[in-house]
Amino acid sequence: EADIYQTPRYLVIGTGKKITLECSQTMGHDKMYWYQQDPGMELHLIHYSYGVNSTEKGDLSSESTVSRIRTEHFPLTLESARPSHTSQYLCASRITGEGEKLFFGSGTQLSVL
Amino acid sequence: DAKTTQPPSMDCAEGRAANLPCNHSTISGNEYVYWYRQIHSQGPQYIIHGLKNNETNEMASLIITEDRKSSTLILPHATLRDTAVYYCIVRVGHGGATNKLIFGTGTLLAVQP
Repeated sequence: EADIYQTPRYLVIGTGKKITLECSQTMGHDKMYWYQQDPGMELHLIHYSYGVNSTEKGDLSSESTVSRIRTEHFPLTLESARPSHTSQYLCASRITGEGEKLFFGSGTQLSVL
Repeated sequence: DAKTTQPPSMDCAEGRAANLPCNHSTISGNEYVYWYRQIHSQGPQYIIHGLKNNETNEMASLIITEDRKSSTLILPHATLRDTAVYYCIVRVGHGGATNKLIFGTGTLLAVQP
């Protein structure tokens, strides 16, 4: 079983609130990723990190921001949530040298009212 | 990265082998084929990957044609728990410059009792 954890599992919040989605892994993986997925649709990469203090934007433009202060922690923040941010957010990690073998968390289902 | 083509859906009887095809006719010599699956409301799960030789692990077998333009993922004895969306992804090398996986729409495999 993968040791990557996302909290909360579900979040319902009002428009304009600031939120942080947590993602932690205990595998010592250097690379971490955030994907966004709408129901029945493809996963879209929104952020990734090659290591501590390294973050890059993904293929899908997102108003969210990320930080990587510690190897094991890769939180995603929305400063002002809007209904268009309603989606599932999936965090993943992998270690250099083992190809594209990603380990995914269970995801956070975000609903913005 | 090479584009992949998969059927949108397939059915399989429980206990029978499930054979999921994938076309990747523009694959380059150094591109690996990866398979993931995503059970409803969960994060994707790595299954297997290969370059040109057939591969087998505890979850599945991967058969890659000699010209590498297509591959088949085989679940030898499908169970109801194998019902999921299966993604075939072609990625360059190991730990390439962009280090990203691009998930398409995949094949929804429905295992019938």
